[in-house]
Amino acid sequence: ETGVTQSPTHLIKTRGQQVTLRCSSQSGHNTVSWYQQALGQGPQFIFQYYREEENGRGNFPPRFSGLQFPNYSSELNVNALELDDSALYLCASSPGTGSPYEQYFGPGTRLTVT
Amino acid sequence: GESVGLHLPTLSVQEGDNSIINCAYSNSASDYFIWYKQESGKGPQFIIDIRSNMDKRQGQRVTVLLNKTVKHLSLQIAATQPGDSAVYFCAENRVGSNYKLTFGKGTLLTVNP
Repeated sequence: ETGVTQSPTHLIKTRGQQVTLRCSSQSGHNTVSWYQQALGQGPQFIFQYYREEENGRGNFPPRFSGLQFPNYSSELNVNALELDDSALYLCASSPGTGSPYEQYFGPGTRLTVT
Repeated sequence: GESVGLHLPTLSVQEGDNSIINCAYSNSASDYFIWYKQESGKGPQFIIDIRSNMDKRQGQRVTVLLNKTVKHLSLQIAATQPGDSAVYFCAENRVGSNYKLTFGKGTLLTVNP
């Protein structure tokens, strides 16, 4: 187990609705990245937060937004849900020192949009 | 376009055999590579990493080889066990991309008893 937790584990939403997913990083980690993993594909980078600031973004529209809190936990918000948003949403945390590139993933939140 | 891709989508081996999973990358600016294992219904699990200034790194039952000349990465699993059955992803971090990881599609490894 990595110590990275995510909630909820599963979620079903209707097209057009909004959703908030949550992630608690591993103790001592100040960086959280969010990824979207469609069925049968590798994870795709959404964005990263470092010390409460967005620190890079992938090719996702502005309706995907996020927050990081002082305790380094994070939220992913998706507005105006579309059917294609159905996927496994993963967060990964990284330590601020040592190897800067190791990312430890949580179990993910399975989002289904109907 | 630039991507991290895998040569084979599936690999089936007998228990006890060695497994080799391959990965090709196209960006010569990639400076760090990670192999992840993902079991059904779980998040990717870190296996081993390697930096671009190395050509080999060993872990417990796993070895990663990096050939920068042909931009090829491989993961070798010794004495493969049924618990090794999973999807394996290689991921790269490119210079200047901060901590963004770019993943390939994955290889499904099936270990037959």
